[in-house]
Amino acid sequence: GNSVTQMEGPVTLSEEAFLTINCTYTATGYPSLFWYVQYPGEGLQLLLKATKADDKGSNKGFEATYRKETTSFHLEKGSVQVSDSAVYFCALPPGGTSYGKLTFGQGTILTVHP
Amino acid sequence: DTGVSQDPRHKITKRGQNVTFRCDPISEHNRLYWYRQTLGQGPEFLTYFQNEAQLEKSRLLSDRFSAERPKGSFSTLEIQRTEQGDSAMYLCASSFTGAVHNEQFFGPGTRLTVL
Repeated sequence: GNSVTQMEGPVTLSEEAFLTINCTYTATGYPSLFWYVQYPGEGLQLLLKATKADDKGSNKGFEATYRKETTSFHLEKGSVQVSDSAVYFCALPPGGTSYGKLTFGQGTILTVHP
Repeated sequence: DTGVSQDPRHKITKRGQNVTFRCDPISEHNRLYWYRQTLGQGPEFLTYFQNEAQLEKSRLLSDRFSAERPKGSFSTLEIQRTEQGDSAMYLCASSFTGAVHNEQFFGPGTRLTVL
């Protein structure tokens, strides 16, 4: 079945620093790929998505590019803010689909200090 | 705001008791999902419904767990004879299969603590 691996360990950055959170996946076919964010005390929200190879998803200054050759979907932001402190999850649906139950990575805790 | 709602937000119970959680999806969404999230982990799929039909159940869903969506709207998740290992955040999500790439919208979750 499909699986997702995210970089381990919390990430702590100063405001305006560059962010990368790595995500690699194994999948049958070419599923859509998602990044979800969970702010403290809130439910998961879709941050961005990409639906085919070489697609770039973007939202709120975050970007991620669907790399078929490296099976990766790394999340990046050029200048983080304190308000970006949250847990970030990479996720994908089953098979080569764009819908259905999601398989999540273990999550990456981001803390941004002023 | 008519997002996904879950009730209760927190539940503390003693081992061996039964608990029931409710999820109200976004009104036009025909798919409803339940996930479980433990500390430091990503959500794990439990089960999902399309309308009132339960289409898939994870092996994580032991026979102490049952979910229903009787009229294709709200759903309930019941855990019988709770165990300490059931302590987790239970998340509900909904989506619409008519969308091109159906984003799942998540509720705030129900945090269960089994003493």
